[in-house]
Amino acid sequence: QVQLVESGGGVVQPGMSLRLSCAASGFSFRTYVMHWVRQAPGKVLEWVAVIWYDGSNEYYAESVKGRFTISRDNSKNTLYLQMNSLRVEDTAVYHCVRGGLTGHNHFDPWGQGSLVTVSS
Amino acid sequence: DIQLTQSPSFLSAFVGDRVTITCRASQGISNYLAWYQHKPGQAPEVLIYSASTLQRGVPSRFSGSGSGTEFTLTITSLQPEDFATYYCQQVNGYPVTFGQGTRLEIK
Repeated sequence: QVQLVESGGGVVQPGMSLRLSCAASGFSFRTYVMHWVRQAPGKVLEWVAVIWYDGSNEYYAESVKGRFTISRDNSKNTLYLQMNSLRVEDTAVYHCVRGGLTGHNHFDPWGQGSLVTVSS
Repeated sequence: DIQLTQSPSFLSAFVGDRVTITCRASQGISNYLAWYQHKPGQAPEVLIYSASTLQRGVPSRFSGSGSGTEFTLTITSLQPEDFATYYCQQVNGYPVTFGQGTRLEIK
């Protein structure tokens, strides 16, 4: 059974950092493109970042570029999102999502999400 | 960036109704479009990918069509469990973008 479990969310003050982790199981993690997608309270889904199966390519939403870094450890079947210089508008549920074998596949499955709250 | 415009934003329907949701892309995206269902407190789930391919395990009352810039999601014979928010998504290029969502409520 394919499973994605996020952890690391919490409450932080603006300007601080947080690292999210996503533990993957039930599939060959090292062969899949992986994404982070977020949803702020009452807002629509927003794609955040993608990393290629081997880590050779990364792309970011303009809203997080230069502040967030996506990475992966294929030996640990784990995806990460390092979030620096957090802003109030980064408050959201962050979902770890499996892409496909290329960067142009639909997203399936989605993790349940980890809530990040940025507040003073 | 490729913008996706969904319509309507809100839809009220009866159990048993047929409904259609439209997604329009700001530029051609071939068939790189997916549809997701999102219920409160749950993770989104893919229904349709490549514009018209039904995800395994998804009921056949869901169908998708379109190519280029115009796409539709149709649900025939609405069931109580279908009342949720639906999003279209393009994966033709980065950044990946989502439509603003269509909230489907029971009448």
